[in-house]
Amino acid sequence: EDQVTQSPEALRLQEGESSSLNCSYTVSGLRGLFWYRQDPGKGPEFLFTLYSAGEEKEKERLKATLTKKESFLHITAPKPEDSATYLCAVQYNVDFNKFYFGSGTKLNVKP
Amino acid sequence: DGGITQSPKYLFRKEGQNVTLSCEQNLNHDAMYWYRQDPGQGLRLIYYSQIVNDFQKGDIAEGYSVSREKKESFPLTVTSAQKNPTAFYLCATGEGTEAFFGQGTRLTVV
Repeated sequence: EDQVTQSPEALRLQEGESSSLNCSYTVSGLRGLFWYRQDPGKGPEFLFTLYSAGEEKEKERLKATLTKKESFLHITAPKPEDSATYLCAVQYNVDFNKFYFGSGTKLNVKP
Repeated sequence: DGGITQSPKYLFRKEGQNVTLSCEQNLNHDAMYWYRQDPGQGLRLIYYSQIVNDFQKGDIAEGYSVSREKKESFPLTVTSAQKNPTAFYLCATGEGTEAFFGQGTRLTVV
């Protein structure tokens, strides 16, 4: 069973069209949930860490939120340069040596 | 210039060869990780190390080996026992609840 599930697999938006990406996790005892941005052929770039339900973090057009079972990455008025794959990862208290990654959402923002 | 350096960026391996991917960091982080990324899949953990001279198998360690002789270095060897090695390999370092990645090595079997 996958520990982390991201949806949708791909998302195509027009410039300025806001939307949200979802990351759900299946195990209790969350230590942290992480969002990364990955451009083609590059390593993931760290965006946010969320630790507890109700927490929110923002960076430019991105806002990450966390509930007890899932996280959302909200993208407000996206621009073409926001096009990338967005990865979610979780870390659990029972084994905080490991990060479990979802398969990502590939975002394409058209001008 | 602090960070994580992976080399080479592209690597080609012939059938039956062992190849070694380099990962060096100057962030002074204790934890280091190797992940494999295949198209349409999440990152899968190969090996990780929390301290010098100690490392642990991840979820897909078969056909791979590592060493951690220095804090700064965590090389990954892809052995001939790895039957499907073509992938994008990512090294990461960890500090508390954050992980930072290198720029990756793309390995192709020819």
